[in-house]
Amino acid sequence: GAVVSQHPSWVICKSGTSVKIECRSLDFQATTMFWYRQFPKQSLMLMATSNEGSKATYEQGVEKDKFLINHASLTLSTLTVTSAHPEDSSFYICSARGPGEGVLHFGNGTRLTVT
Amino acid sequence: QKEVEQDPGPLSVPEGAIVSLNCTYSNSAFQYFMWYRQYSRKGPELLMYTYSSGNKEDGRFTAQVDKSSKYISLFIRDSQPSDSATYLCAMASGSRLTFGEGTQLTVNP
Repeated sequence: GAVVSQHPSWVICKSGTSVKIECRSLDFQATTMFWYRQFPKQSLMLMATSNEGSKATYEQGVEKDKFLINHASLTLSTLTVTSAHPEDSSFYICSARGPGEGVLHFGNGTRLTVT
Repeated sequence: QKEVEQDPGPLSVPEGAIVSLNCTYSNSAFQYFMWYRQYSRKGPELLMYTYSSGNKEDGRFTAQVDKSSKYISLFIRDSQPSDSATYLCAMASGSRLTFGEGTQLTVNP
């Protein structure tokens, strides 16, 4: 089946620093990947849609200059949280559609804690 | 009104019970219907998906879709403590996926 790998699984950083999260499709090519954010006991909130070779599409209210998305290849998308603040602490999850499918497969998420 | 409504629970059942999880939706354009299971501090794991009304069975899990009522269900038979997780329904129209809030399920040994 389609496997999505996300790294790191958790990260702690100091306020003001930047953090990069990687999302890879291991056994398929993904022209589109999706980045979600999840707060405790809440559902997934779509942040942006990452398109290979072009600019990401951000959801309303998501700061594109703060959450930089790069989709440089068909198997890799990265999310960089720039100048992180404690309020950016959250669970970030990426996903991609398997080949020929309408369903999404998710990575295992990255727990970001900003101190 | 939310496009997808799901009771967040929590739902607590004894081991061996039959569990029924449900979602309703308002957007008749939804074409794909999915159930995901999410353990604490993990990404959602796809359990089942279907494209049409009717039932789909996979082991102890049965997914049911009723497009006329805009209602989907997930049944878990012979529930196990390892089934304790949050269950999210999701629906897709084109490229956009919409999630329910998730139902937190605990199966007690």
